[in-house]
Amino acid sequence: AQSVSQHNHHVILSEAASLELGCNYSYGGTVNLFWYVQYPGQHLQLLLKYFSGDPLVKGIKGFEAEFIKSKFSFNLRKPSVQWSDTAEYFCAVMGSGGYQKVTFGTGTKLQVIP
Amino acid sequence: DAGITQSPRHKVTETGTPVTLRCHQTENHRYMYWYRQDPGHGLRLIHYSYGVKDTDKGEVSDGYSVSRSKTEDFLLTLESATSSQTSVYFCAIKGAGGNTEAFFGQGTRLTVV
Repeated sequence: AQSVSQHNHHVILSEAASLELGCNYSYGGTVNLFWYVQYPGQHLQLLLKYFSGDPLVKGIKGFEAEFIKSKFSFNLRKPSVQWSDTAEYFCAVMGSGGYQKVTFGTGTKLQVIP
Repeated sequence: DAGITQSPRHKVTETGTPVTLRCHQTENHRYMYWYRQDPGHGLRLIHYSYGVKDTDKGEVSDGYSVSRSKTEDFLLTLESATSSQTSVYFCAIKGAGGNTEAFFGQGTRLTVV
């Protein structure tokens, strides 16, 4: 069975601080990995995705993530956060074959203080 | 935004009543999913569909059933609503290719009193 762990439940940062949110997954085969963001009162939107190739993927709004296969990790990073990055962030995994079930982590709430 | 419409957007219902939530897509995508979102639990998969009349259970399927009689519609039914099913429900769709992501609807806030 596939699963995702997000170890940081609530992160508080000042503007311009660097961000790294942890994500570890469990799956026995080739995976596709995602980070989604949910702004207050809104639905989930895709930040970035990894399917194959370069393990360092860049997404929207200056976010990036690195896939480290040996560590089963897909951590999200941003060098300098803004107040507008205040949101909840979800990591997700999908097996590359089969029924393409998408499994989410429990999310990390990021609060950026001006 | 992807063409996904969830209805209703808000609903209050009484314990023991049946409730059906609808997800409608205009993208002709193969895969459709129902999730519930609760504080501290993230999004948990209830049921998903990989084609018309092809559905399977997710991790929290007890008390829920689904139907997909045509590509564009995926219905989630709470057979007898309970207070523990108070939640925000999200529908998602995904294309058939392996290298595609899921797109989410706006959500349905359901309150069971």
